[in-house]
Amino acid sequence: GAVVSQHPSRVICKSGTSVKIECRSLDFQATTMFWYRQFPKQSLMLMATSNEGSKATYEQGVEKDKFLINHASLTLSTLTVTSAHPEDSSFYICSAPSSGVPNEKLFFGSGTQLSVL
Amino acid sequence: DAKTTQPNSMESNEEEPVHLPCNHSTISGTDYIHWYRQLPSQGPEYVIHGLTSNVNNRMASLAIAEDRKSSTLILHRATLRDAAVYYCILNSGYSTLTFGKGTMLLVSP
Repeated sequence: GAVVSQHPSRVICKSGTSVKIECRSLDFQATTMFWYRQFPKQSLMLMATSNEGSKATYEQGVEKDKFLINHASLTLSTLTVTSAHPEDSSFYICSAPSSGVPNEKLFFGSGTQLSVL
Repeated sequence: DAKTTQPNSMESNEEEPVHLPCNHSTISGTDYIHWYRQLPSQGPEYVIHGLTSNVNNRMASLAIAEDRKSSTLILHRATLRDAAVYYCILNSGYSTLTFGKGTMLLVSP
């Protein structure tokens, strides 16, 4: 079946640095991808919707200047956490719809554990 | 999206069937019922989804009540690898999924 590849799986960085997370659809095209964040013992929270060739749509309370999203091709979306701080430490997960048909399943990446020191 | 209610946790023994309930009394006529699961330190994984009729696939079965106000995910023979958080989500046609707290399934050998 279709696979979403997310990289890196784990990253540790110093406070103030930027971190880029990649999300690739391996055998299908994804005009839309979704970025979630998950804190320990909590559920996934949608951060933003990434749209190929256009600006991302951010959920309320998510700073677009801090979480930069680029969706330059039909198979790649990136999330850059700029000037990361310890409170940004979290599990970040991307996903993509399996097709353009409404109500079809989503494929998820394996997640990126970000730790900011 | 309409809200779902699931037990916080459930326990099962290996090789026994597991019935995971989900209540969604405010479901609308166009809402599909989706189930995903999340193993520790991994992204969610699609399990099954349906609208009105019961559904079966290689992973599980989905039993939907006639009034659609509840559904049950059935794992026919639980294995240790089925230990995960199971999310019941209603989707009205858009691809964004709203995750609740889900049910943590514990499987004992």
